[in-house]
Amino acid sequence: AQKVTQAQTEISVVEKEDVTLDCVYETRDTTYYLFWYKQPPSGELVFLIRRNSFDEQNEISGRYSWNFQKSTSSFNFTITASQVVDSAVYFCALNAGNNRKLIWGLGTSLAVNP
Amino acid sequence: GAGVSQSPSNKVTEKGKDVELRCDPISGHTALYWYRQSLGQGLEFLIYFQGNSAPDKSGLPSDRFSAERTGGSVSTLTIQRTQQEDSAVYLCASSLGTPGILWPQHFGDGTRLSIL
Repeated sequence: AQKVTQAQTEISVVEKEDVTLDCVYETRDTTYYLFWYKQPPSGELVFLIRRNSFDEQNEISGRYSWNFQKSTSSFNFTITASQVVDSAVYFCALNAGNNRKLIWGLGTSLAVNP
Repeated sequence: GAGVSQSPSNKVTEKGKDVELRCDPISGHTALYWYRQSLGQGLEFLIYFQGNSAPDKSGLPSDRFSAERTGGSVSTLTIQRTQQEDSAVYLCASSLGTPGILWPQHFGDGTRLSIL
């Protein structure tokens, strides 16, 4: 079975704090892809990153970083020095095997307060 | 336009009526997806079109739901005999490349459907 779990339903932080959004996935396939998407209050989902199962290097993009650990089946997302504009719902998703669709987590709602 | 366009933005209709939701993908994108997002919930996959291949309809919740994609571009999602549980935001996305599922999906703003 394939599954994505985002255990944190809601997170609230104060601006400039660092925050980590957790994503745990399940799959028996050895080849798979993991994604993060952001859905701001305006509603339009925005692609953030794609990572394949053969590349465990962590990735940093500005204030965003991703920690991919196959040993714990996790693909966590960290925002450093959070800003109010980071307030959104963040979704983690998985594509594995020959599945032609993404398996989505339920999302984590992040509120960054000034 | 540069992005995925969906119409209408909002649709309010009475229970039992049929509705059609339209999606204009980004020009050149071969893959198109429909999702449903209920209040406070994640994305529920509905259907996936990839080029000229047979669509993956495995996510359609009932036979009241259908979708087509004409000419490999515009797609229409039709819900017949609407029920109150159909109320949700219906999102369309498109992506470039094959298989489209491995490419970043570009989402429209969605159609907010309310069934009275």
